[in-house]
Amino acid sequence: NAGVTQTPKFQVLKTGQSMTLQCAQDMNHNSMYWYRQDPGMGLRLIYYSASEGTTDKGEVPNGYNVSRLNKREFSLRLESAAPSQTSVYFCASSDWAGAPRDADTQYFGPGTRLTVL
Amino acid sequence: AQTVTQSQPEMSVQEAETVTLSCTYDTSESDYYLFWYKQPPSRQMILVIRQEAYKQQNATENRFSVNFQKAAKSFSLKISDSQLGDAAMYFCAYRSVAGGTSYGKLTFGQGTILTVHP
Repeated sequence: NAGVTQTPKFQVLKTGQSMTLQCAQDMNHNSMYWYRQDPGMGLRLIYYSASEGTTDKGEVPNGYNVSRLNKREFSLRLESAAPSQTSVYFCASSDWAGAPRDADTQYFGPGTRLTVL
Repeated sequence: AQTVTQSQPEMSVQEAETVTLSCTYDTSESDYYLFWYKQPPSRQMILVIRQEAYKQQNATENRFSVNFQKAAKSFSLKISDSQLGDAAMYFCAYRSVAGGTSYGKLTFGQGTILTVHP
């Protein structure tokens, strides 16, 4: 069972470079999420997608864009990387379908460690 | 906006002993979910336990149990008979059920690193 997969696992960028983090899930989940994890701050939501074709901003969306390519895939793009975007990035998915009490356990990928020099 | 606070950056416990990790949260909502996630050194986030706010009974999952105090907005995790494999960072998280822009989104605390001594 692959669950949630992320590529790459590690990446080093120079300031101003762009890159796309890829995420895919094979659980037929409706919702997908991108978080960043910084020391002492826990995980913070960047963007989420409640269904194919929809995306919405989370707590820290500035400097990022997302694409929900299809039900399986949700990518995160850094257009012009900055040192402040050095972090560990997690993708997650859940079966949440939009109603308050829908099943909502989030399953996480293994993370991408990104360093921006 | 909701906030989640874990005031213990680090905790330690002897193998086979019991440890309690603290979590408090701030919300004006009456209906929500609370979670504890475990993150071992592999970085994989694993759901440990989940509590629904409208249920007064504390959730349990094998050696893991919670003490949910809704009025005090407190949600602590008790790990009984601690094992070496319990060593990890533990995150408390909140999810709104009330609607609006918070739907489906988890708000995490800062995390508590748990060390288990043999």
